[in-house]
Amino acid sequence: GQQLNQSPQSMFIQEGEDVSMNCTSSSIFNTWLWYKQDPGEGPVLLIALYKAGELTSNGRLTAQFGITRKDSFLNISASIPSDVGIYFCVSFGNEKLTFGTGTRLTIIP
Amino acid sequence: DSGVTQTPKHLITATGQRVTLRCSPRSGDLSVYWYQQSLDQGLQFLIQYYNGEERAKGNILERFSAQQFPDLHSELNLSSLELGDSALYFCASSVEGHLAYNEQFFGPGTRLTVL
Repeated sequence: GQQLNQSPQSMFIQEGEDVSMNCTSSSIFNTWLWYKQDPGEGPVLLIALYKAGELTSNGRLTAQFGITRKDSFLNISASIPSDVGIYFCVSFGNEKLTFGTGTRLTIIP
Repeated sequence: DSGVTQTPKHLITATGQRVTLRCSPRSGDLSVYWYQQSLDQGLQFLIQYYNGEERAKGNILERFSAQQFPDLHSELNLSSLELGDSALYFCASSVEGHLAYNEQFFGPGTRLTVL
């Protein structure tokens, strides 16, 4: 099935650093969602974006719906150990839900 | 704990066999979604049911089928299993039926291994 281009694939950072990841596509979407999956568990919704240009925050997380409707980014500020996991972008358009390939975040002690 | 339960947690079976995965949604949720997560394909949406009826279809193979029962629990049936069907299968639920405009709550998953 179709997948979004999500980058980077993995990140190794130190606690306290800021993190940035993004998703791009050649298609236009109506909705962007960002999920986080902890090891051994199901994904959990972090942020939902419904309008082009929309910038939304959830605590230390900030996400934006690109103006072209073809991309989205997620930033995490001042990372902490519990931020470890896999982050997925999810897009919705033409009645289809498409998942990014995921960004695996590891925090180096 | 999301409130979504899935059984079994692990399943090991042989090629050619048929298995049934079960999901109980959160109390009050009418919509159930099934996903497959494999190493090479990532997370893929398979199918959605809303209040007993099929609402949306994703990349679900013809060998797979699902249904949602009157008590709103759902089952995913996988038949003629192949090695490539080995994956984590997640169920999610939401209150309403729109694929993207309702927060989905994911269960812990069923890990299927086909030998």
